[in-house]
Amino acid sequence: AQKVTQAQTEISVVEKEDVTLDCVYETRDTTYYLFWYKQPPSGELVFLIRRNSFDEQNEISGRYSWNFQKSTSSFNFTITASQVVDSAVYFCALSDLINNAGNMLTFGGGTRLMVKP
Amino acid sequence: EPEVTQTPSHQVTQMGQEVILRCVPISNHLYFYWYRQILGQKVEFLVSFYNNEISEKSEIFDDQFSVERPDGSNFTLKIRSTKLEDSAMYFCASSPGGSGANVLTFGAGSRLTVL
Repeated sequence: AQKVTQAQTEISVVEKEDVTLDCVYETRDTTYYLFWYKQPPSGELVFLIRRNSFDEQNEISGRYSWNFQKSTSSFNFTITASQVVDSAVYFCALSDLINNAGNMLTFGGGTRLMVKP
Repeated sequence: EPEVTQTPSHQVTQMGQEVILRCVPISNHLYFYWYRQILGQKVEFLVSFYNNEISEKSEIFDDQFSVERPDGSNFTLKIRSTKLEDSAMYFCASSPGGSGANVLTFGAGSRLTVL
């Protein structure tokens, strides 16, 4: 069975602070994919990143960076120099091998990030 | 940028009534999904649909639920006899074939309130 745990339910920071959102996952699959989605106050789910289990390189996209560590089953997300517009709920998710039977995502409980001016 | 559109954005219904939530996925996508999010809780998988049939479904997706792609563009979720616990945000999603098949694009959601 797959499981995603986001232990931080809520984080509050002041603008320009760096913040890291934790994600720990469980799976028996050797090939799997990890995701982060953002849910702003408007409610939609916005795709941020996908990583596969064979690629442990960290990724940076502007102020966003992701740290994937298989040894600790973690896929943490860091926002550098946070801005008020980063305020949202962030979900980590896990999917097994891409297949024709459907590509179900297992979501974590989400972390609500509040960035104060 | 192509998007998944959902209607209605909010529906209020009485317990026991039938509800149909509608979605227009991205036109060249092959996989279609419904997820739900009970207020303040995690996003949960309901069902995936590929090649005109259900490919996977969760325990939540019982006989009260059904999905249809009647005309090649719309993708609907029907709840036959709504219960109070069906109150949630329902998200439709779609994904392309190939290596992007598990990169889901979600709609803005349909909030269902059952009274």
